[in-house]
Amino acid sequence: GAGVSQTPSNKVTEKGKYVELRCDPISGHTALYWYRQSLGQGPEFLIYFQGTGAADDSGLPNDRFFAVRPEGSVSTLKIQRTERGDSAVYLCASSLMAGVETQYFGPGTRLLVL
Amino acid sequence: AQSVTQPDIHITVSEGASLELRCNYSYGATPYLFWYVQSPGQGLQLLLKYFSGDTLVQGIKGFEAEFKRSQSSFNLRKPSVHWSDAAEYFCAGNNSGGSNYKLTFGKGTLLTVNP
Repeated sequence: GAGVSQTPSNKVTEKGKYVELRCDPISGHTALYWYRQSLGQGPEFLIYFQGTGAADDSGLPNDRFFAVRPEGSVSTLKIQRTERGDSAVYLCASSLMAGVETQYFGPGTRLLVL
Repeated sequence: AQSVTQPDIHITVSEGASLELRCNYSYGATPYLFWYVQSPGQGLQLLLKYFSGDTLVQGIKGFEAEFKRSQSSFNLRKPSVHWSDAAEYFCAGNNSGGSNYKLTFGKGTLLTVNP
């Protein structure tokens, strides 16, 4: 079956601009996660959704970052007033449920802020 | 604080040689532990996972890992490496209790395979 998909695969933007990154989870997966992977680092947790609600957004670095999942499926990560330090690969994952279920990762969106 | 450490940033092995990638963890209780592989342009793929029970875990692509509580380690092994194994490998853990959805990753080990 189809895996987790993310669009766009690459995004180049200018400092100060607004960007949206989209994630389509595996059909039927109720849990969805966003991670950020900076160069030379492992992925770092940003936010976790159970259904439509953000159950844990403790990893979001500041209030410029926001994510939604209005219908419990597709999620959008939104970054306002982008900064050069936001440049990274943004990974989305989904799992059947939260907890011990395996998280399946998408290919990521590579964001470059000039 | 909870952490996962991969001491080796880059490892080079010859094709056909054995492989061991190191992973150490620091958690209050025994965590759930995972190994993921990331190839260029690909998402992270789960190789294997440990929750409890048998400390030797078998995974896909001929990989295995051994959980050693006394050493706080979860090293990944493969008896004979293939050129297609060249990739970046990440060890990850999460709490076996609350917030057990939140994976903490090591910085990764880049594996190069020489012909």
